[in-house]
Amino acid sequence: DQQVKQNSPSLSVQEGRISILNCDYTNSMFDYFLWYKKYPAEGPTFLISISSIKDKNEDGRFTVFLNKSAKHLSLHIVPSQPGDSAVYFCAARLTSYGKLTFGQGTILTVHP
Amino acid sequence: DSGVTQTPKHLITATGQRVTLRCSPRSGDLSVYWYQQSLDQGLQFLIQYYNGEERAKGNILERFSAQQFPDLHSELNLSSLELGDSALYFCASSLRTYTDTQYFGPGTRLTVL
Repeated sequence: DQQVKQNSPSLSVQEGRISILNCDYTNSMFDYFLWYKKYPAEGPTFLISISSIKDKNEDGRFTVFLNKSAKHLSLHIVPSQPGDSAVYFCAARLTSYGKLTFGQGTILTVHP
Repeated sequence: DSGVTQTPKHLITATGQRVTLRCSPRSGDLSVYWYQQSLDQGLQFLIQYYNGEERAKGNILERFSAQQFPDLHSELNLSSLELGDSALYFCASSLRTYTDTQYFGPGTRLTVL
């Protein structure tokens, strides 16, 4: 039972444009969501998070949007840079239970 | 660099064998988490320790066990290894538990031949 889904295995974007990565979840009890970025041969690196009491959180070029009614979150990267090319994972958590449930990841490629 | 260290980086072994993976959390972090990333399963939570005590269990096989020592480093023991155990094993740590961000180590790549 995959409770967190990233339906796009890959995304290709031109440098300077917006990258939008999407994530859907099924468990309405999740109350905290995170995005991690992963380069080959490295562990996931924390990017940005959002609590279920908010619908938007911004950190520099990265913004995460949460639509609780649709059980959907998205990560916007503006402007995209070639160094952003990596695998992006969304993860969800129950506050009362520390484990993270991850999506399958989306490979983002930003072309110069 | 997240501050979480894992050894070894790579491990190649045979079916039926036993291995130990080691993780040192970030300085000051009390919680350690283990995750497995295999090709077809994505990142799956295995187990969590907090200040030496087991706190949560995920999809961890009975052949696998873990512990967290008084100095807060953790070890994941995998025994009676099968081909399907080949995967990346990540350790993450957080300050306390539940509400704190988890920071991941670089992982140990296990290959079972």
